[in-house]
Amino acid sequence: DTAVSQTPKYLVTQMGNDKSIKCEQNLGHDTMYWYKQDSKKFLKIMFSYNNKELIINETVPNRFSPKSPDKAHLNLHINSLELGDSAVYFCASSWTETNYGYTFGSGTRLTVV
Amino acid sequence: DAKTTQPPSMDCAEGRAANLPCNHSTISGNEYVYWYRQIHSQGPQYIIHGLKNNETNEMASLIITEDRKSSTLILPHATLRDTAVYYCIVRVDDSGYALNFGKGTSLLVTP
Repeated sequence: DTAVSQTPKYLVTQMGNDKSIKCEQNLGHDTMYWYKQDSKKFLKIMFSYNNKELIINETVPNRFSPKSPDKAHLNLHINSLELGDSAVYFCASSWTETNYGYTFGSGTRLTVV
Repeated sequence: DAKTTQPPSMDCAEGRAANLPCNHSTISGNEYVYWYRQIHSQGPQYIIHGLKNNETNEMASLIITEDRKSSTLILPHATLRDTAVYYCIVRVDDSGYALNFGKGTSLLVTP
């Protein structure tokens, strides 16, 4: 069983489209995150949700909207995709008290053409 | 604003100990030192973390200096599968604070 699973693994789409990436964790964690890794390999936090409530929202265009229907899911919806959105997006989860670290998914490679 | 400084790359022979240094001279009293690694094309993987004392688990050992301004991650017997980018991160242990990844150290384990 995959602890943090993301779908799809690869996503190729045209500029201007709207797309969603799904994330599910079966670890019972109460906090979930989205990270973006760009072409230069920098990993940056985008959002963090704790018990379905947004607790971290970094400077991200409002075309990106996270949705947490329950503690086990944190989906990322992106409107009006741009070339610069091309990156690998990682979902992660943890306990509020993160003594056991974050568990990351395997990533979704988004390519906007 | 980088809170940690790591060498960009290191090499290690298979079977030898890999010692990865990290400087965090501005660390606050309530900040932990975390180590993660990212193997090519995979998500980052938690390795170990500590506050003041040295820590050891099945993956690695973490040595933190007494003044807490630097630390060393030790992989006692490096294997080819340990080739990865290793990130040293300082962070308050609170969900309101995110893990902020820097550039890390690219470790190459050679046969």
